[in-house]
Amino acid sequence: QKEVEQDPGPLSVPEGAIVSLNCTYSNSAFQYFMWYRQYSRKGPELLMYTYSSGNKEDGRFTAQVDKSSKYISLFIRDSQPSDSATYLCAMTSGTYKYIFGTGTRLKVLA
Amino acid sequence: EAEVAQSPRYKITEKSQAVAFWCDPISGHATLYWYRQILGQGPELLVQFQDESVVDDSQLPKDRFSAERLKGVDSTLKIQPAELGDSAMYLCASIAGAHNEQFFGPGTRLTVL
Repeated sequence: QKEVEQDPGPLSVPEGAIVSLNCTYSNSAFQYFMWYRQYSRKGPELLMYTYSSGNKEDGRFTAQVDKSSKYISLFIRDSQPSDSATYLCAMTSGTYKYIFGTGTRLKVLA
Repeated sequence: EAEVAQSPRYKITEKSQAVAFWCDPISGHATLYWYRQILGQGPELLVQFQDESVVDDSQLPKDRFSAERLKGVDSTLKIQPAELGDSAMYLCASIAGAHNEQFFGPGTRLTVL
């Protein structure tokens, strides 16, 4: 079993929809949780960074962490075609070793 | 805005040849990472540096891969000889901020023919 599991998609939604992206993990030592957006043939871009459990909001993006369920989510409100990309979750226990999910491909249709 | 620089952006080589990739992290970032990302997968750590010292190279195929960061600033990743299975995106990252956020460069896409 992988330490981090992420549905690879692809996920297709109409413009304006609310998108929910999820990851599960098995290592209870993970404390820091990240979401990256990666456009085709580009490096990952840090979107959200969350410490421990709870919610964090930044514009149209909301990150949620539920450590009791070992489950993290990224919500995108009012999705736009420019949000079409691969979304990677990543996490670390604080040892500077980061574990990534496989990424979910998202396509927002105009 | 400071960025992680990588070159070249694209590299096509024949198997058995040697290739080298360069990374310059954001100024002042002591921790530097090299990752390999195969299409459709997440980045996988190859090597982690703290200043000029290797912290973790447990996943680096040392028979053909080598990495160095001689002055604790920029870094080079080398593959010799390249194999078909090495075709991937090679990403460099460094960390900063109060919570050690990791920032990536644009990557080098390697194609081995």
